[in-house]
Amino acid sequence: AQSVTQLDSHVSVSEGTPVLLRCNYSSSYSPSLFWYVQHPNKGLQLLLKYTSAATLVKGINGFEAEFKKSETSFHLTKPSAHMSDAAEYFCVVTDRYSSASKIIFGSGTRLSIRP
Amino acid sequence: AAGVIQSPRHLIKEKRETATLKCYPIPRHDTVYWYQQGPGQDPQFLISFYEKMQSDKGSIPDRFSAQQFSDYHSELNMSSLELGDSALYFCASSSGQMNTEAFFGQGTRLTVV
Repeated sequence: AQSVTQLDSHVSVSEGTPVLLRCNYSSSYSPSLFWYVQHPNKGLQLLLKYTSAATLVKGINGFEAEFKKSETSFHLTKPSAHMSDAAEYFCVVTDRYSSASKIIFGSGTRLSIRP
Repeated sequence: AAGVIQSPRHLIKEKRETATLKCYPIPRHDTVYWYQQGPGQDPQFLISFYEKMQSDKGSIPDRFSAQQFSDYHSELNMSSLELGDSALYFCASSSGQMNTEAFFGQGTRLTVV
C-alpha cells in the first residue's frame, strides 16, 4: 500500500536562508512522487515530479528534490527562501503499476518566511 | 495551454439542498479524480473515473454521487448537504489509469449555511 509522511507540519525560515521540507514515502512497487504548492485560497500547483528518471529533480521557482530509494525519501529543498514561497506544500505519491488510481497526499507542510 | 476547468468556482447552499460540481479535464485526459479539502486539512480522495467507469472509491459519503460523461467531463452530485460538507473540492485529470502526472483544477469552494 502507498503512503506518504510529511515530517513537519510547519516550517519557518528567514528570507534568504535554505528551505528543507521533508517527505518519506511507502510504496509497494515503483512510485512516482510529486510536490505541489498551494497558496492561500488557491488551487494546487505542481512544483516538480519524479517518475524514475534522474533522481535529482529540478522544479519551478528554484525548488528541487532528490529521490533516495534507500531512505524512501523525497525531500524538497531551495537554496534561498523568498517571501513569495510562503504557502502549504504537499508531497504526493502514486504507484506507477498499481491498478488503484488514487493520488496519495501527505498531510502538508506550512512554510512561513520571516523577513 | 488548456488546464482543468472546474465550475462553479464558488457555491453557497443551504442545509439539505443539493449541489452539482463540474469538472472539465485537460483534452485527451481520460482519468478524473475528485478530492475534498476541509479547512486546514489535506485533500481527501473521494472518487475517480477512468474511461467513463468508476475506477476507485475513497471516503465519499453515500449522499454524494459522481459520473464521467462521454466527453470525459465529470460531475459530482451532492445531496442533503450538511454544514460539514463545506470545503474546497478539487478535480484532477491525468492521461491513463496507470498513473501519470495529475493536473489539478482551481477547485470549487462550497459553503453550506
